Amino acid sequence: AQSVSQHNHHVILSEAASLELGCNYSYGGTVNLFWYVQYPGQHLQLLLKYFSGDPLVKGIKGFEAEFIKSKFSFNLRKPSVQWSDTAEYFCAVSTRGNKLTFGGGTRVLVKP
Amino acid sequence: DVKVTQSSRYLVKRTGEKVFLECVQDMDHENMFWYRQDPGLGLRLIYFSYDVKMKEKGDIPEGYSVSREKKERFSLILESASTNQTSMYLCASSSVGAGTGELFFGEGSRLTVL
Repeated sequence: AQSVSQHNHHVILSEAASLELGCNYSYGGTVNLFWYVQYPGQHLQLLLKYFSGDPLVKGIKGFEAEFIKSKFSFNLRKPSVQWSDTAEYFCAVSTRGNKLTFGGGTRVLVKP
Repeated sequence: DVKVTQSSRYLVKRTGEKVFLECVQDMDHENMFWYRQDPGLGLRLIYFSYDVKMKEKGDIPEGYSVSREKKERFSLILESASTNQTSMYLCASSSVGAGTGELFFGEGSRLTVL
């Protein structure tokens, strides 16, 4: 069965700092990759997804992620964070259909 | 706007009680899921359903059962609640299609078992 690892459980940074969240998965076949975000008090929502093609994908709110197949990684980045990016971020992998396996999540706190 | 509605945002139950968590989606999605969310463990799949009256076990089905009598409704049942089932429960739905994978989530039901 596949698994998903997110390296950092908590990240604290100041506004305008750059953000990179690591995600690695364990599965040798074709995967679909996702980042979901949960803002305080809100439901989980899709940030971006990768199915095929350009390994650099852009999502909402200035986020992007890069799929590196050789490293089994799908890291999330944002060049300059805002206070409103405070949230919990989840990486997820799908190997068939719509059944997603999620990582443990990373809580990001952006200090104003 | 797509919507997944969970009937209860907060519940407090006693050990041994039977608990029903209801979820309704208005998007005519075929797939529905129940996850539990715990700090540091992310989301873990309990059960899912690809069609009415159909169910499949996820990664942590023990202590849970589900019911899907209608396409729009997916219920999670705790036959005899235990304290280790204190958690946030998330319902999600998605449309059929290999690899679409985008789940639409409800706001969650926070269950406390005393």
